[in-house]
Amino acid sequence: KNEVEQSPQNLTAQEGEFITINCSYSVGISALHWLQQHPGGGIVSLFMLSSGKKKHGRLIATINIQEKHSSLHITASHPRDSAVYICAVSGSSGTASKLTFGTGTRLQVTL
Amino acid sequence: KAGVTQTPRYLIKTRGQQVTLSCSPISGHRSVSWYQQTPGQGLQFLFEYFSETQRNKGNFPGRFSGRQFSNSRSEMNVSTLELGDSALYLCASSLNTLTGTPYEQYFGPGTRLTVT
Repeated sequence: KNEVEQSPQNLTAQEGEFITINCSYSVGISALHWLQQHPGGGIVSLFMLSSGKKKHGRLIATINIQEKHSSLHITASHPRDSAVYICAVSGSSGTASKLTFGTGTRLQVTL
Repeated sequence: KAGVTQTPRYLIKTRGQQVTLSCSPISGHRSVSWYQQTPGQGLQFLFEYFSETQRNKGNFPGRFSGRQFSNSRSEMNVSTLELGDSALYLCASSLNTLTGTPYEQYFGPGTRLTVT
């Protein structure tokens, strides 16, 4: 079993739909990251959170430390949101810079 | 500020050769981490350097090594290349401090290595 599990693996949505991507982890962490990767490889950090909820534009990330679960929500999805979304966790106990990654969720938003 | 830069962007090597990849972090960032991304294994942590010292290491064979210079620029080296080393190699920099508190990581565009 992977230390970081994401679901779904693939997601197709129509423009305007509300999207949720889930991430569960089984190890102790110091933070959880949501990353976005577009075709061509470039990775952008969307959020880093260790508790509660963060919002940036149409993106919302939440984390429940007790349940070891995080969600990334995209409101009013748009074709430009099409990308791979990756959940990653920072290790604890001095390994905060070591990221362990989920397998990613490929999102396709159509008109 | 300029972002993280990686050179070269593309590289083709032959099995058995060695390769050196370079990463220049964002100005002021002292932590540089390296990652390998393959279709089969996804993203995997290679190692992290902070203040010219390797601080964390992933589960890769000794053929994979790295170093960091006093200006925080980092290089990674892969010796005796194998076909399975074909991958996108990404580096990321952060403001990560000596205490190891988690910080947001800023990724470079990657170097796509093909081993034939």
